[in-house]
Amino acid sequence: AIQLTQSPSSLSASVGDRVTITCRASQGISSALAWYQQKPGKAPKLLIYDASSLESGVPSRFSGSGSGTDFTLTISSLQPEDFATYYCQQFNSYSFTFGGGTKVEIK
Amino acid sequence: QVQLVQSGAEMKKPGASVKLSCKASGYTFTSYYMHWVRQAPGQGLEWMGKINPSGGSRSYAHKFQGRVTMTRDTSTSTVYMELSSLRSEDTAVYYCARVGSSSSQYDAFDIWGQGTMVTVSS
Repeated sequence: AIQLTQSPSSLSASVGDRVTITCRASQGISSALAWYQQKPGKAPKLLIYDASSLESGVPSRFSGSGSGTDFTLTISSLQPEDFATYYCQQFNSYSFTFGGGTKVEIK
Repeated sequence: QVQLVQSGAEMKKPGASVKLSCKASGYTFTSYYMHWVRQAPGQGLEWMGKINPSGGSRSYAHKFQGRVTMTRDTSTSTVYMELSSLRSEDTAVYYCARVGSSSSQYDAFDIWGQGTMVTVSS
């Protein structure tokens, strides 16, 4: 099964900071990667699909890049509502694996 | 609007089974694959399996094969997930989630249910 490794597992940042989260796949998955945001007690919310496509209604400060095995989620200017946990997910193979998550906390 | 509404919280004893429901509305139920994902307290997301609401075919994560059964009722636009032989490690929030494409089963999950808490305790 394809494994996804996210880093860092947590980070502290300030409002206005540029934040980058990485996701590495154990084998190539082309661009079959999504990013989700999850806030406490809520269901995950789709941010990015196909590695770099912005889901409708998601602010443009979120962007995704990468293909093959290495992917990045970038928040260009962190806003108060962006403090949450972020997950990557691959949908290339039989098993729709999630990464372990990155918790973005307030510095 | 497009939404998935899940059944309410459950408390079960070890060894029992639980059957959760997920009712879809606002779109053509049979056009989009549905998945189940769970999240143990304080932990990450874990994919359990998927079902094609059109033909009923399903695929399960290896970890759950033999214990999970996913079904659907097209007359009520509802998918079900039954998990048997429950143990304490199955305590989690269970989500249903819709694939975002009507033309591919391999796509991101664009619509999620609100989640159902299942507690397994003696």
